[in-house]
Formats: sequence, structure tokens, C-alpha cells
Amino acid sequence: RKEVEQDPGPFNVPEGATVAFNCTYSNSASQSFFWYRQDCRKEPKLLMSVYSSGNEDGRFTAQLNRASQYISLLIRDSKLSDSATYLCVVNVNSGNTPLVFGKGTRLSVIA
Amino acid sequence: GAGVSQSPRYKVAKRGQDVALRCDPISGHVSLFWYQQALGQGPEFLTYFQNEAQLDKSGLPSDRFFAERPEGSVSTLKIQRTQQEDSAVYLCASSLGTTGLGYGYTFGSGTRLTVV
Repeated sequence: RKEVEQDPGPFNVPEGATVAFNCTYSNSASQSFFWYRQDCRKEPKLLMSVYSSGNEDGRFTAQLNRASQYISLLIRDSKLSDSATYLCVVNVNSGNTPLVFGKGTRLSVIA
Repeated sequence: GAGVSQSPRYKVAKRGQDVALRCDPISGHVSLFWYQQALGQGPEFLTYFQNEAQLDKSGLPSDRFFAERPEGSVSTLKIQRTQQEDSAVYLCASSLGTTGLGYGYTFGSGTRLTVV
């Protein structure tokens, strides 16, 4: 089983729609969680960290469910500019271990 | 510098050729990471430096891959006797902290390697 699993999509949604992505992780000792955004032929960029209490940044809401070992990203009022690949990222433990990336979920917002 | 700088941006190599990819991290960032990203995949970890020490090289796919960061700043990823399966984007990232914990990474634009 992969350490971080995501539905690759694509998710094709109209402008203004609400869309949610889920991601599961296999290691219960995982400490840190992030969502990264990657535009076509560009580098990944940090979108937001995911905290145990959940967090919101404008139209974006991230949730963590430790019991079920999944994190989610909710995007409200989708914009054309939200079209990208969203990477779920996990840090397995607090030691010197690098971040582990999922394969990404591709989102296309359509006018 | 203001961001992570990678060079070259694109590299075409003939199979069997050696290549060297350069990464110049954000000034003062302790940690430096190399990732490989194949088309349609997420970034896969290759190796990690904390200052000049290579703490983890478990992701390097074969002994043809070698990385160094001799003075704790600029890093070079070298691939010897390139093969077609080495074709990918090689991403370098740096982080202020000693792991990704709590900080996340800043990525460079990557080097797109094509082996023909």
C-alpha cells in the first residue's frame, strides 16, 4: 500500500461549484500534513498546512481525521484559476524524514 | 537568493551520458531535498541534506545517482550513464527547519531531463 493515496481525478467542475478531495495515509505515526498545489509544468507550491483542529484560508478548508487516517481539502466557489493538481503531503514522523507526496488530484474548473 | 534556483532548466542527454544538475537553495535554509517527478506522478524522494551532511539517500534509485552539498549551500545531483527511465523532472527543495515538520518546503522550478 502506498504511504499516501489520492484519487487522481480528473475532477471537472463548473465555476462556482464546491469540490472536495480526500487523501489517505498509511502511517499512523504521521505528524504533519500539507496540501500543495502544482500547476502544469510548474513546481509544487504550499497551499496550506493541515492542523488537527482543521483550518480555513478563504475559500479553502482543510480537515484532518487521525482516527481514519485521512485528510481533506474543500474548495468553495471554484474559480477558473483553481485548475491545477492538488498534492496531499505527509511527514511520517518528527525525526529527520522527508515529506511524502501523493500522486495528486487533478482539478479542472470549467466556465 | 529570493527563491530556490535550479539549472539547467532543461537537459537533453544521450543514453549513457553523465549529467549534473545544480540547486542553489534559499540562503540560510538548513535542509535541502531532491525529488524526482515522472509524468503524471507525484514527486518521489531521492535524498536529503542537513547542511553538508547527507542524512538520507534511501530514495536514490541506483548507484548511478550521486548527490553532494560540500559547503552546505549549493547542491549537485549527478546521474552517470543515463538511461531512458531517468527521464523526469528533478526538483530541489529547501526548508528552514531540520525536517519538513511544520515548515513545508520551497521548491525550485526543476530540471526537466530527457534521455534519448
